[in-house]
Amino acid sequence: AQTVTQSQPEMSVQEAETVTLSCTYDTSESDYYLFWYKQPPSRQMILVIRQEAYKQQNATENRFSVNFQKAAKSFSLKISDSQLGDAAMYFCAYSPYGGGYGNKLVFGAGTILRVKS
Amino acid sequence: GAGVSQTPSNKVTEKGKYVELRCDPISGHTALYWYRQSLGQGPEFLIYFQGTGAADDSGLPNDRFFAVRPEGSVSTLKIQRTERGDSAVYLCASSSTSAGSYNEQFFGPGTRLTVL
Repeated sequence: AQTVTQSQPEMSVQEAETVTLSCTYDTSESDYYLFWYKQPPSRQMILVIRQEAYKQQNATENRFSVNFQKAAKSFSLKISDSQLGDAAMYFCAYSPYGGGYGNKLVFGAGTILRVKS
Repeated sequence: GAGVSQTPSNKVTEKGKYVELRCDPISGHTALYWYRQSLGQGPEFLIYFQGTGAADDSGLPNDRFFAVRPEGSVSTLKIQRTERGDSAVYLCASSSTSAGSYNEQFFGPGTRLTVL
């Protein structure tokens, strides 16, 4: 079974600074997806960034980028120029590659990110 | 367009009672997922529907839990003889399905269930 581990229960960052959230996972599959989701107090889960395992290039979305190390099964999220609105719970998640026909997500336990002004 | 909606937002019930939680997916989305998020934890998969049928119900914890999607749109998660351990936020997500491409899951705001 696939597992996702987030070893940082809580992180803090100063506004405008950079922070990195860690994630490791375990799978025997060679093709899969990895995600970072943001969950603010409203509970609405929002997709931040996605990485396809077959792509060597690290995904980037504006201030958000990942460091994907397939051999090490590591998938960290870097948030640059942190903003107060980035404060939330962040979840790392894994999904098997199913050719687009619906795949359940396996989540880590989450990291609370606090942003200080 | 409208996102995924879930009702009620909060539900308080007594141990042993029956509850129903409703999910309205994004219009046209054929895939629908239920997840359960216990306090301080990440969401855990419960069940996945493709159209009207449950394609994967491997996450349902026991036979007190079942879900339906009779017309391939709205889904209801039903919990019988609720226990205090069922207290959690129940999240619903929907996605379109296209062969050969990734289909993002869009989440609803969840229903917080409290069993007293």
